[in-house]
Amino acid sequence: EAGVTQFPSHSVIEKGQTVTLRCDPISGHDNLYWYRRVMGKEIKFLLHFVKESKQDESGMPNNRFLAERTGGTYSTLKVQPAELEDSGVYFCASSRTTANTGELFFGEGSRLTVL
Amino acid sequence: KNEVEQSPQNLTAQEGEFITINCSYSVGISALHWLQQHPGGGIVSLFMLSSGKKKHGRLIATINIQEKHSSLHITASHPRDSAVYICAVRPGNQFYFGTGTSLTVIP
Repeated sequence: EAGVTQFPSHSVIEKGQTVTLRCDPISGHDNLYWYRRVMGKEIKFLLHFVKESKQDESGMPNNRFLAERTGGTYSTLKVQPAELEDSGVYFCASSRTTANTGELFFGEGSRLTVL
Repeated sequence: KNEVEQSPQNLTAQEGEFITINCSYSVGISALHWLQQHPGGGIVSLFMLSSGKKKHGRLIATINIQEKHSSLHITASHPRDSAVYICAVRPGNQFYFGTGTSLTVIP
């Protein structure tokens, strides 16, 4: 079974440009999460999808960030326009259940560098 | 203040040493996760536990729900154990993460 896959693994863009990150969860996992780790800080929650619906987007930093999960399969996270403070590693994770004891599977992360 | 605190932040050990990483949290939870991140790599879930102790190979994780504390132990540490170890708790749908403990095991 394939794990959670993310693309690209590393993206370097200039301030003001747009970047789109993609996450393919494990097949059959309705729950998809986006997290971000900024240099030196802890991983922070961004948002949670259940199938194609946004269950919780309270962690999204501002309206420059747009996440979608059309069809309830893969998800994209677009940053437009990117700012310097958006640099970090964006992790995607998926789980089969929303139960508090459900195991979470992480992707390799997409490292974003904004110059 | 972060909901999850880990200590130490950095740890260097000689190969073969017994290692302990601690995690304290301030929210009510039903499960705690220990995660491992190798340099440049993704995150791997090591343990998910809600009570007592779990063991997997040379790794042992314990949790005390009443004291809101968990420990991750590595016996007979090896250089390939070098990684960042992250504690995460899940009070609801969200996860809260510690800042991680960077472990370096020297041959």
